[in-house]
Amino acid sequence: AQSVTQLDSHVSVSEGTPVLLRCNYSSSYSPSLFWYVQHPNKGLQLLLKYTSAATLVKGINGFEAEFKKSETSFHLTKPSAHMSDAAEYFCVVSGDSSYKLIFGSGTRLLVRP
Amino acid sequence: ETGVTQSPTHLIKTRGQQVTLRCSSQSGHNTVSWYQQALGQGPQFIFQYYREEENGRGNFPPRFSGLQFPNYSSELNVNALELDDSALYLCASSLGLAGTTDTQYFGPGTRLTVL
Repeated sequence: AQSVTQLDSHVSVSEGTPVLLRCNYSSSYSPSLFWYVQHPNKGLQLLLKYTSAATLVKGINGFEAEFKKSETSFHLTKPSAHMSDAAEYFCVVSGDSSYKLIFGSGTRLLVRP
Repeated sequence: ETGVTQSPTHLIKTRGQQVTLRCSSQSGHNTVSWYQQALGQGPQFIFQYYREEENGRGNFPPRFSGLQFPNYSSELNVNALELDDSALYLCASSLGLAGTTDTQYFGPGTRLTVL
């Protein structure tokens, strides 16, 4: 069965410093992996997705993630945090039945001025 | 904006009642999925419809049911509401069968409170 574990429920950074949100996955086959962001009272927005092409995936708003099969990780990074990045971030894996997405429990990112 | 809309934004019901939530997908998207997001948790897959047929279902009881219409609208119906049904309900549309590379576009959700 597929699953994702987000290692931090809360991450706090200062504006202008790097962001690292950690995600480990479990999958019985080569998975598709996603990062979604959820701002308060807004829908989920896709940041980036990995689909077995390049292992370093670039997304919107300066975010990127690296797929590491040996470590079963798909961590999300950004070189410099902006106040507008404060939100809930979800790591997601496609299910063994292709029709569903399996979400992690989320990481709340706080950006301090 | 994803082009996916949901109504109503908020809803309050009492235990035992029935509720219908609505979603309007992007034009041309044949697949709609519904998710339940309890407070402080990640969304959980309820079911998916492809061209008006249920295509897959998560671990939810039969009192959760759905419909998809040819005009790219869909409904989530929940009968015999329970307190634990209080959550944000999200719909997501995608072009075809939600394969491993198909992107799902989410609406803003309907916040259901069951008293």
